[in-house]
Amino acid sequence: AQTVTQSQPEMSVQEAETVTLSCTYDTSESDYYLFWYKQPPSRQMILVIRQEAYKQQNATENRFSVNFQKAAKSFSLKISDSQLGDAAMYFCAYRTFSGTYKYIFGTGTRLKVLA
Amino acid sequence: SAVISQKPSRDICQRGTSLTIQCQVDSQVTMMFWYRQQPGQSLTLIATANQGSEATYESGFVIDKFPISRPNLTFSTLTVSNMSPEDSSIYLCSVFMGESYEQYFGPGTRLTVT
Repeated sequence: AQTVTQSQPEMSVQEAETVTLSCTYDTSESDYYLFWYKQPPSRQMILVIRQEAYKQQNATENRFSVNFQKAAKSFSLKISDSQLGDAAMYFCAYRTFSGTYKYIFGTGTRLKVLA
Repeated sequence: SAVISQKPSRDICQRGTSLTIQCQVDSQVTMMFWYRQQPGQSLTLIATANQGSEATYESGFVIDKFPISRPNLTFSTLTVSNMSPEDSSIYLCSVFMGESYEQYFGPGTRLTVT
């Protein structure tokens, strides 16, 4: 069975600085998707970024980028030029490429942005 | 993406009563999902609701406790029955959209059972 681990329960970053959130996963599959979701205090979960395992190029969305290391089963999220609005819980999630629709979520990392 | 709304946004309920949560999507979707997020925890899938068929429940969740309806492709309800304080959680509905089956979530319903 697949697992997703986020080993950092909480992280802090100064405004305008860069922070990296860690995520590791375990799977025997070769094709899958990985996601980062953001849940602000208002609690609406928002998709931040997506990575297909078959793509070697790391995904980027504006200030958000990932470091996808397939062999190491690592999927970290880098937030550049951090803003106060980035403060939230961040969840890493895994989904198999085909067949089951189930997502497996990590336990989350609470990011605090310091002014 | 999809615009998803939930009603109510929050409620405080007495032990032993039931609450029905509504989820409305602005476009037709085949699969809708219901999650529970206990305080400070990650998301746990309760069930999958497909239009025209019975909901599929995950291990640890049963239909008698969490009956689900899916009358059409844009709407679903989740009922939390015979509530106890342990049911105090945020309940989220979600849908799949896009070629990668990205999941989009509603704003959630915060339930407190006293």
